[in-house]
Parts: sequence; C-alpha cells; structure tokens
Amino acid sequence: KAGVTQTPRYLIKTRGQQVTLSCSPISGHRSVSWYQQTPGQGLQFLFEYFSETQRNKGNFPGRFSGRQFSNSRSEMNVSTLELGDSALYLCASSLFPGREQYFGPGTRLTVL
Amino acid sequence: AQTVTQSQPEMSVQEAETVTLSCTYDTSESDYYLFWYKQPPSRQMILVIRQEAYKQQNATENRFSVNFQKAAKSFSLKISDSQLGDAAMYFCAYLPGGGGADGLTFGKGTHLIIQP
Repeated sequence: KAGVTQTPRYLIKTRGQQVTLSCSPISGHRSVSWYQQTPGQGLQFLFEYFSETQRNKGNFPGRFSGRQFSNSRSEMNVSTLELGDSALYLCASSLFPGREQYFGPGTRLTVL
Repeated sequence: AQTVTQSQPEMSVQEAETVTLSCTYDTSESDYYLFWYKQPPSRQMILVIRQEAYKQQNATENRFSVNFQKAAKSFSLKISDSQLGDAAMYFCAYLPGGGGADGLTFGKGTHLIIQP
C-alpha cells in the first residue's frame, strides 16, 4: 500500500505571495492532519480534516487554510507569506480521527 | 492543554547497546494514546510504537519497547541492540482519545547518536 504523498517537496516563495500544498493520504484513510515544523517552535498542529470538514484547528492565523476533497486528498493554503512561514509542512493520514497517524515526506517551504 | 516533555536533547550510545529515551506528559484525560516517532535526516516521520492508555501491558515492536507508567505520566522508549540506522531524532507524542481538539502534541525531541 502506498504511503502518504506530498507535493511539491520543495518550494521557494517571496513575501506576500501565496502557496498551496497538496497531500494524498494512504488509500482508505479518511482523516488528514497538517503540521508545521520549525527549529524554534518544533512540531505544531495546524488543522485536521475528516469527511471534507475541518474538525479542529491549531493556533495559527487565518492566513493558513485548507480543504479536503471527496477522495480524502487535502490541500493547505498559506496567503500573504511571511518570512516566519518558512518551515517543513508535514501531512499525516489516519483511518479516522483519533487513530495513529502516518506521515508524508513533507514540503520544505522557504520564504525569501 | 496537554504538554509533552522530553528532557534529553541528545543521547549517545554504542552500537549494539541498549538506550532509553525519556518522555513525560501532562493531561487530565483518561482516554488517550502515546506514540514514539523517529525522524531521520530525510525528515520523514516514521511511527515506531504506540501505546493505548487503557492497556496496562507495555507495547513492544521488535527491538523497541516502552515503559508506560500511567500514574507517573511517564512513557519511555527502550531501544535494544542499537543499530546505526537507529540514529535519528525521536519524538514522543500524545493524542487524545476520540480525536481531540489539538491533534498530536509533540515533545521537543531527542537526538539519538549511535557510535560505531
């Protein structure tokens, strides 16, 4: 069974731009969660989607948004990029919310 | 809010020896899960082992085992017969049962070095 895939793997953007990251969960998994990893803040929960609905969101500004499609694939969007948004963005999938999560390889975003 | 603390920023062990990584957590919930994840230099987070809070028996996965002390809110990871491929960052993580409000809560991680 294929693992979680994330595209693109690397992105370079400039301040003020917006970016969209994509995540395809493990086949049969219906829950997708997103995390931001930085050297200073560590791993922080962004949001979780299940059945195309955002179930919960971490402590991030409204510039961070996402959605989930009927095939469980998910996208996250960051608008008006700031230098501090440079991070590794990790997507994780699980069968249902509250079950163990399996991570993708991440998208490395650099904001210049 | 739940917190997860890993008090060892870095650990070093000789190949083939045993090492234990520490983790403590704080929660008022009774239903939750605990995990250890491994993140090698490739940055891919790999699930190593899981423990359900309602289970008294400690989880084991091949060379990896945990010591789960629910009353003490302690969840340590023991790696036996350490191998060079075990070198990585190890993160302890907490997840409320039933899909809590905050997703996984991670500790700051322990950098494990394997000396050949």
